[in-house]
Amino acid sequence: DSGVTQTPKHLITATGQRVTLRCSPRSGDLSVYWYQQSLDQGLQFLIQYYNGEERAKGNILERFSAQQFPDLHSELNLSSLELGDSALYFCASSVRGGQQGELFFGEGSRLTVL
Amino acid sequence: AQSVTQPDIHITVSEGASLELRCNYSYGATPYLFWYVQSPGQGLQLLLKYFSGDTLVQGIKGFEAEFKRSQSSFNLRKPSVHWSDAAEYFCAVGAPYGGSQGNLIFGKGTKLSVKP
Repeated sequence: DSGVTQTPKHLITATGQRVTLRCSPRSGDLSVYWYQQSLDQGLQFLIQYYNGEERAKGNILERFSAQQFPDLHSELNLSSLELGDSALYFCASSVRGGQQGELFFGEGSRLTVL
Repeated sequence: AQSVTQPDIHITVSEGASLELRCNYSYGATPYLFWYVQSPGQGLQLLLKYFSGDTLVQGIKGFEAEFKRSQSSFNLRKPSVHWSDAAEYFCAVGAPYGGSQGNLIFGKGTKLSVKP
């Protein structure tokens, strides 16, 4: 158990819909990262938050947004969903801005868009 | 462009046999290097990491990796594989500086199957 909690574990929705994925980082971790894992693209970094502020952006679509709340949990919002958004979305956390790669990953939220 | 290549998509080894998983990277400078393991239905777990110094790095579960700068490689090894090692293994690189060290670039992964 990494200490990172993600909900929901599975989500099935239709094209055009909007979903919210939630992540609770390890106790004390200030940084939260979102990654997308798909069969064709592999694991891709989406976005990082540190203590409530956006720190870095990766290959995140404009239809996607995220935020980190004062209690440090984070949400990833995916809107106008397309079939290609079906993937496993991972949240990871670390103490500071990466701690030299010491990321602790949750078990992921599997999104299926029909 | 920065990238990580894991040339083997799927490897099958017999239990007790040795293992080597290959990883090559392309990066502007010497990056930080990592190996993660993902068991079915689980998140990724850090096996080991290389930042600097000794090019042979020891990790958890009996794994080790060797950094070879001249070959831009960071291959993962284990002398004797156990059935519980069956999983998917990911090589990753990260920036050696700045506040974005957790924004890792991952390879596509190598799935390891273990024969009894």
